[in-house]
Amino acid sequence: AQSVTQLGSHVSVSEGALVLLRCNYSSSVPPYLFWYVQYPNQGLQLLLKYTSAATLVKGINGFEAEFKKSETSFHLTKPSAHMSDAAEYFCAVSVGGGADGLTFGKGTHLIIQP
Amino acid sequence: DGGITQSPKYLFRKEGQNVTLSCEQNLNHDAMYWYRQDPGQGLRLIYYSQIVNDFQKGDIAEGYSVSREKKESFPLTVTSAQKNPTAFYLCASSPSLGTQYFGPGTRLLVL
Repeated sequence: AQSVTQLGSHVSVSEGALVLLRCNYSSSVPPYLFWYVQYPNQGLQLLLKYTSAATLVKGINGFEAEFKKSETSFHLTKPSAHMSDAAEYFCAVSVGGGADGLTFGKGTHLIIQP
Repeated sequence: DGGITQSPKYLFRKEGQNVTLSCEQNLNHDAMYWYRQDPGQGLRLIYYSQIVNDFQKGDIAEGYSVSREKKESFPLTVTSAQKNPTAFYLCASSPSLGTQYFGPGTRLLVL
C-alpha cells in the first residue's frame, strides 16, 4: 500500500519569498505523483503531475516539483510567492496510473504574509 | 462547457435519514470517484467506478452506497448507518489511467 506524508500542516512565507512545500511518499512500485491546490469551499485543481518522464515537473502558476527517488520525495516549489497563492495544497500518490484512486496527504495550508 | 457538476452545494441531513449527493460529468471519462474531506485529514476514498454497472469500495465505504447506471452519473447515498456524516464530499472523474479532475464539492451537515 502507498502513503503520503506532508511535513507541516501550515507554512507561512512573505510575499516574494521562496515557497517550499514538502511531500514524501512510500510505494512498493514506481508511483505517479500529483500536487493539487484547493481554495476555500472549492474542489481541487491540478497543479502538476509526475508520471515517470522528466524528474523536474513544471506546473501552472509558476510551480514546479522535483521527483527524487533516492529520497522518496516530491517537494513543491515556487521562486516568488504571490498573495493569490494562499490556499491548501495536497500531495497525492497512485500506482498503476491511478485507476484505483489516489492516496492523499493531509494537506499544507500556505499563508502569504504581505 | 465540459466539466464535473455536484449538487447540491449544501445538504442537511436529519438523524436516521438517507441522503443522496449528485455527481455528473460530461467529459466522457470512464472512471469516477467519491472522496470525503475532513479538516486536517486530507481526502479519503469512499467508492470508485471504472466502468458502467461496476464499482469498488474504497478505504471508508461503510455507511455509504453508490450506483453507476450511466457513464455520466455516479450518485453517492449517505445512509443512516453513517454515524458521522458531516464532511465535504468531492467527486472526481478521469479517463482510463489518467489524471483525476474534481467537482466543486457538496458540504453535508447534520441537523
